Amino acid sequence: DAGITQSPRHKVTETGTPVTLRCHQTENHRYMYWYRQDPGHGLRLIHYSYGVKDTDKGEVSDGYSVSRSKTEDFLLTLESATSSQTSVYFCAINPDRDSPLHFGNGTRLTVT
Amino acid sequence: AQSVTQPDIHITVSEGASLELRCNYSYGATPYLFWYVQSPGQGLQLLLKYFSGDTLVQGIKGFEAEFKRSQSSFNLRKPSVHWSDAAEYFCAVGAGTGTASKLTFGTGTRLQVTL
Repeated sequence: DAGITQSPRHKVTETGTPVTLRCHQTENHRYMYWYRQDPGHGLRLIHYSYGVKDTDKGEVSDGYSVSRSKTEDFLLTLESATSSQTSVYFCAINPDRDSPLHFGNGTRLTVT
Repeated sequence: AQSVTQPDIHITVSEGASLELRCNYSYGATPYLFWYVQSPGQGLQLLLKYFSGDTLVQGIKGFEAEFKRSQSSFNLRKPSVHWSDAAEYFCAVGAGTGTASKLTFGTGTRLQVTL
């Protein structure tokens, strides 16, 4: 898993509550990404980061925010969770734009 | 915008049989193309990638893929499937020439292997 730790691995939360997922890497890679995986949709990019405090939106960013205050940590926040955000969330990293992504093992989030 | 189509949602093959998983992409320039494999409860593992050069690329676990520009395809092949190959396979294209970042994924093909 290329030195990527996602926490928590599983979480159940209620609609309307805030949720933060953490991605921690030990590779010192510059680039980090958050994807969500849903049946019939494959993986879709939520947000990504090109460095500390340098983030941008992906394909499905509505309802999500991110922060990166340190190279090793990339946080994904759902300000007010909705049932449509029930999904498996994957963090990915790469050292530069030409290198393949390496993925963490995912966080399964259920919003009831 | 780029897109990826994996037309087969589910494929079943017998152990020892050959395998071909289809992938078609839509992108205006020469794309960066990838195949990833996902076992249940796990993240995605890179099987192989195409950036440029030889259109037949070799990957891990005995897999190979061929880039065919004229057909906008990047099909994954293996001559003899093992039971441990049962997993979900994703094809992906990189956004923008010269980047492996911001991948667009297909919806995946689930491979079942019968003994």
